[in-house]
Amino acid sequence: AQSVTQLDSQVPVFEEAPVELRCNYSSSVSVYLFWYVQYPNQGLQLLLKYLSGSTLVKGINGFEAEFNKSQTSFHLRKPSVHISDTAEYFCAVTPGGSYIPTFGRGTSLIVHP
Amino acid sequence: DAGVIQSPRHEVTEMGQEVTLRCKPISGHDYLFWYRQTMMRGLELLIYFNNNVPIDDSGMPEDRFSAKMPNASFSTLKIQPSEPRDSAVYFCASSLGETGGKGYTFGSGTRLTVV
Repeated sequence: AQSVTQLDSQVPVFEEAPVELRCNYSSSVSVYLFWYVQYPNQGLQLLLKYLSGSTLVKGINGFEAEFNKSQTSFHLRKPSVHISDTAEYFCAVTPGGSYIPTFGRGTSLIVHP
Repeated sequence: DAGVIQSPRHEVTEMGQEVTLRCKPISGHDYLFWYRQTMMRGLELLIYFNNNVPIDDSGMPEDRFSAKMPNASFSTLKIQPSEPRDSAVYFCASSLGETGGKGYTFGSGTRLTVV
């Protein structure tokens, strides 16, 4: 079985500052990795995904994530955040060949002016 | 495409009443998922369907919960009787394909409050 740990439940940051949201996973098999974003009162929206190939994945809204197999991590980064990035971010892991992801508990990104 | 459509957006009901949540997946998607989101437990998978057939309902908390998918464009999640602890946001999601690499498309959710 796999598990996902999002190390920070809340990350406050000032506008235009860089941010990193951390995600670690455990799995005995190869995995697919995802980040989703949930804006207030909305459903989850796929931000980016890693299936194979380059370990640096670029997503929407200027976000990117890097897959580190040795550290079993998939941290999300953005070099300069905007107020509009304030949202809940979820990391998810799907074992290759399976279809059901395991979601982390989420990290609330709060961008202050 | 209009995306995954859920109704109602908000539902307030009294304990003991029946509640029915509705979902229309994206046309052509062959997987449909029902999730529940609460502060205490985060996102929980309740049940999922493939080609309208329930595949895994092990996440359904109790017999009070039931889900159906009578055709490819419609699914319901029913709670009968409802209890205050069922208060949560319920999401429907759909996806296409046989592997987990495509990600899901989520609806906007139904916020259920049972008083």
